Amino acid sequence: DAKTTQPTSMDCAEGRAANLPCNHSTISGNEYVYWYRQIHSQGPQYIIHGLKNNETNEMASLIITEDRKSSTLILPHATLRDTAVYYCIVLNSGYSTLTFGKGTMLLVSP
Amino acid sequence: GAVVSQHPSWVICKSGTSVKIECRSLDFQATTMFWYRQFPKQSLMLMATSNEGSKATYEQGVEKDKFLINHASLTLSTLTVTSAHPEDSSFYICSVATGSGANVLTFGAGSRLTVL
Repeated sequence: DAKTTQPTSMDCAEGRAANLPCNHSTISGNEYVYWYRQIHSQGPQYIIHGLKNNETNEMASLIITEDRKSSTLILPHATLRDTAVYYCIVLNSGYSTLTFGKGTMLLVSP
Repeated sequence: GAVVSQHPSWVICKSGTSVKIECRSLDFQATTMFWYRQFPKQSLMLMATSNEGSKATYEQGVEKDKFLINHASLTLSTLTVTSAHPEDSSFYICSVATGSGANVLTFGAGSRLTVL
């Protein structure tokens, strides 16, 4: 059973905000939402994670709905180098094994 | 953050030979490393969890005798694909649990194996 649902692909114009949604309606109270991305032919890169509060770092912002059933990763000013597959992963706190789904292929165009 | 180096970045070998891939944590002592495999146009699949000083834990369906993992030091884990066959051709990626946050992993750049 998939824990998260993401659109297969999205497009974004360079310089605009990219908003990547993720549904996780069965998330439990101790599960965090993690976002990773994978640029073509490279290893994945950690972006951000959160439990229930919105989070922001130098790469992105994570907005989690109050009921925690969905979240949105926001890249405020997308660049061509942000073209990648973005993975939303729900996981317990503490070390667990990251399981990658199919993710969202974000294409940033000039 | 942690820096993870993989070597080689790509390798081509003949069927039946063995290939060793190294994963080094350059600035972090890693008690746990993870090995993933990714076939073209597919997502990453966890193969095994490598634990320093003990045996690796393999995921269901991954042959431990074919994919030998050694984690003899806190900075090095190796994956050896024994008697490689064309169906083993894949992108192998290691990652390190850095401790900066649960489940925050730093990944290597990956090693692309092509078996002829």
